[in-house]
Amino acid sequence: ETGVTQSPTHLIKTRGQQVTLRCSSQSGHNTVSWYQQALGQGPQFIFQYYREEENGRGNFPPRFSGLQFPNYSSELNVNALELDDSALYLCASSLLGRGDYGYTFGSGTRLTVV
Amino acid sequence: GESVGLHLPTLSVQEGDNSIINCAYSNSASDYFIWYKQESGKGPQFIIDIRSNMDKRQGQRVTVLLNKTVKHLSLQIAATQPGDSAVYFCAEKIGGSGYSTLTFGKGTMLLVSP
Repeated sequence: ETGVTQSPTHLIKTRGQQVTLRCSSQSGHNTVSWYQQALGQGPQFIFQYYREEENGRGNFPPRFSGLQFPNYSSELNVNALELDDSALYLCASSLLGRGDYGYTFGSGTRLTVV
Repeated sequence: GESVGLHLPTLSVQEGDNSIINCAYSNSASDYFIWYKQESGKGPQFIIDIRSNMDKRQGQRVTVLLNKTVKHLSLQIAATQPGDSAVYFCAEKIGGSGYSTLTFGKGTMLLVSP
């Protein structure tokens, strides 16, 4: 059974640019959630994807968008990057529809916006 | 790896001591709670969970206590080891069977001295 893998591990972008982060979910999981973790803070929920559709969203602007693919992997896209977007972006996969379940997190992508 | 513990509350203990990490949660409707351990440069790692119909659950060297009256969780680690040094987060699951997400607390850094 494979865990959650994220790529790339580190990324440096310039303010105003666009970025795409990728996540492969754990085998057997059908749902992917994305979180933003600023330095010294707990993860903040961005959005969740289930059956290739956004299934819920936190307090993030529309320039944060995502995709989920038939194999349950997912992408997080951020347009018009701002300095405050610098953070660790975490992907978590889970199994929706089976009652309480665990979230498995990847190691994250460290994004630095300069 | 990157530090996730900047400006977090810190608990410093000696190896072999018992550690207690506390967490206040916000939503009285939350029905599932998880403790995560996050080491530098890694994603959150599941430690133990508890449902709202329980007040105590034990794992290997760890115990979680839930007090719904005051919306308080605690994580007890017995015989703390240097490898337990990390940032610990509590998370509450909010939502129903069709959609749910985790809301994380602020985190506590645990430092274990040999």
